Amino acid sequence: AQSVSQHNHHVILSEAASLELGCNYSYGGTVNLFWYVQYPGQHLQLLLKYFSGDPLVKGIKGFEAEFIKSKFSFNLRKPSVQWSDTAEYFCAVNADNAGKSTFGDGTTLTVKP
Amino acid sequence: EAGVAQSPRYKIIEKRQSVAFWCNPISGHATLYWYQQILGQGPKLLIQFQNNGVVDDSQLPKDRFSAERLKGVDSTLKIQPAKLEDSAVYLCASSLAGTSWETQYFGPGTRLLVL
Repeated sequence: AQSVSQHNHHVILSEAASLELGCNYSYGGTVNLFWYVQYPGQHLQLLLKYFSGDPLVKGIKGFEAEFIKSKFSFNLRKPSVQWSDTAEYFCAVNADNAGKSTFGDGTTLTVKP
Repeated sequence: EAGVAQSPRYKIIEKRQSVAFWCNPISGHATLYWYQQILGQGPKLLIQFQNNGVVDDSQLPKDRFSAERLKGVDSTLKIQPAKLEDSAVYLCASSLAGTSWETQYFGPGTRLLVL
């Protein structure tokens, strides 16, 4: 069975600091990878996803993630965070030929102004 | 474009009572998902529908949970009887065709507290 591990449960940064959130998955086959974000009081929404091609994918609001197959990782990065990036971030993997997603337990990001 | 709608937003019940949640997916989306999100954890898939057929319900506790999607549009998730450990947010999501690379669109969730 597939699983997803997010190592950082809570990250606190000051504005303009760089961000990297870790995501590792366990599955030996082809995967599709997602980062979803939940801003305070809002729904879960897609930040970015990888399913083929360039392993460096860019998403909304300046976020990017790199798929490293050899490391089973899909880390999320942003060079300079803003207060508005305060949210909970979830990594998810689809390893079957269907839309079933396995989610990590999330990382809460707090950005201090 | 209207998003995924869920009701109620909040529900408090006592253990052994029953409860039902409703979801209306984005128009035209064939695939509907129900997730359970316990505090401090990520969403866990309970059941996935493709139109009105079940694709995956392997993690649905079938002794107490049931779900249906009549006519392939709206869906209801029921818990009977509820246990304390069912306290969670129940999320509904939909996607266009249910392929593994598609984005899922989530509703606001129903927060259930079982006392």
